[in-house]
Amino acid sequence: QTVVTQEPSFSVSPGGTVTLTCGLSSGSVSTSYYPSWYQQTPGQAPRTLIYSTNIRSSGVPDRFSGSILGNKAALTITGAQADDESDYFCMLYMGSGIVVFGGGTKLTVL
Amino acid sequence: QVQLQESGPGLVKPSQTLSLSCTVSGGSISSGDSFWSWIRQPPGKGLEWIGYIYYSGRTYYTPSLKSRLTISVDTSKNQLSLKLRSVTAADTAVYYCARDLHHHFDYWGQGTLVTVSS
Repeated sequence: QTVVTQEPSFSVSPGGTVTLTCGLSSGSVSTSYYPSWYQQTPGQAPRTLIYSTNIRSSGVPDRFSGSILGNKAALTITGAQADDESDYFCMLYMGSGIVVFGGGTKLTVL
Repeated sequence: QVQLQESGPGLVKPSQTLSLSCTVSGGSISSGDSFWSWIRQPPGKGLEWIGYIYYSGRTYYTPSLKSRLTISVDTSKNQLSLKLRSVTAADTAVYYCARDLHHHFDYWGQGTLVTVSS
């Protein structure tokens, strides 16, 4: 079974830029996988940030952007703020009605 | 604004059936533009997609749970339901319902913790 891969952890300085990635254990991520990104803080339900590769969900600041970089989907945070410290999950549509989440990236802002 | 609210027992004994409901408000489960999903998250771990259902009753399940899982919909109550049979401690998780609008989840319930323990 194909695994969706994410960096387990990442750190960024306040005001800095960070790019989190979402890949496949076998193959390349393309727009056909409709990559989406979710932010989750402890004890809260996930919040949708990005869908269909690069469309920001309503109310999401424009410092969050999505793209395809090489063979992976990417979430870039430009000008990181303290309250961006969260877990970030990507999700891919694998076809035939199946979706798979990545294992998540714990982002530290320090 | 679509809202989803999960409900059900917070404690289930091993080998029994976990049953949850999700009530949708602010939108119709029969609208035809969405699938309605269940997602879970074991304590301290990542998200796992369980499955989803269309208002017509068409379902898609994650392969690892398919043999124990039933997702159903009651359009008259604007609800979807989850039944997971023969549970073990590994099924302990926060269970979320969510709306899938064209391959992404745009609305989520607040989640409900279900603990499997004797």
